Amino acid sequence: DTAVSQTPKYLVTQMGNDKSIKCEQNLGHDTMYWYKQDSKKFLKIMFSYNNKELIINETVPNRFSPKSPDKAHLNLHINSLELGDSAVYFCASSQRDGEKLFFGSGTQLSVL
Amino acid sequence: GESVGLHLPTLSVQEGDNSIINCAYSNSASDYFIWYKQESGKGPQFIIDIRSNMDKRQGQRVTVLLNKTVKHLSLQIAATQPGDSAVYFCAENMGDYKLSFGAGTTVTVRA
Repeated sequence: DTAVSQTPKYLVTQMGNDKSIKCEQNLGHDTMYWYKQDSKKFLKIMFSYNNKELIINETVPNRFSPKSPDKAHLNLHINSLELGDSAVYFCASSQRDGEKLFFGSGTQLSVL
Repeated sequence: GESVGLHLPTLSVQEGDNSIINCAYSNSASDYFIWYKQESGKGPQFIIDIRSNMDKRQGQRVTVLLNKTVKHLSLQIAATQPGDSAVYFCAENMGDYKLSFGAGTTVTVRA
């Protein structure tokens, strides 16, 4: 059983489109995250949710909107996609905030 | 093989040798550190963690050393194997509910 699963694995889309990435964890963790990894492999936190409540928003453009319907799910919706949004997006979860994160396998987003 | 200095983006090591990956962290208030391994096409995978009240912790073939005086963290891998080829990240928790990641070191194991 995959602990943190995200879909889709690959997402290719045109500029200006709206897209969503879904994430689910079956670890019973209270905290979930979205990280963005750029072409140089640098990992940067975007959002963190604890028990469905937003606790971190790292100055991400408001085109990015996370949604947590319950503590096992954290989805990411992106409006009006731009070329610079191309990256790999990772979902993660942890038992305690900022400790021992478990990552999904990533969604490679390519904006054309 | 060893990466030296603040950060070396690549490290090439002979199979069977020991590897040392170094990381300088930024915040003296950081109290928790993790090493992650990321293989191509996969998400980062937890290797080992250490809290600031320790200076050494050992796992299976890996050892993490923490030097708070100079804000330095290292990961030692014993008897490096081809499966150890990956990008390795250090991460620190600065007490603000999130992990901040370093730039990553790409380890290549030569047969």
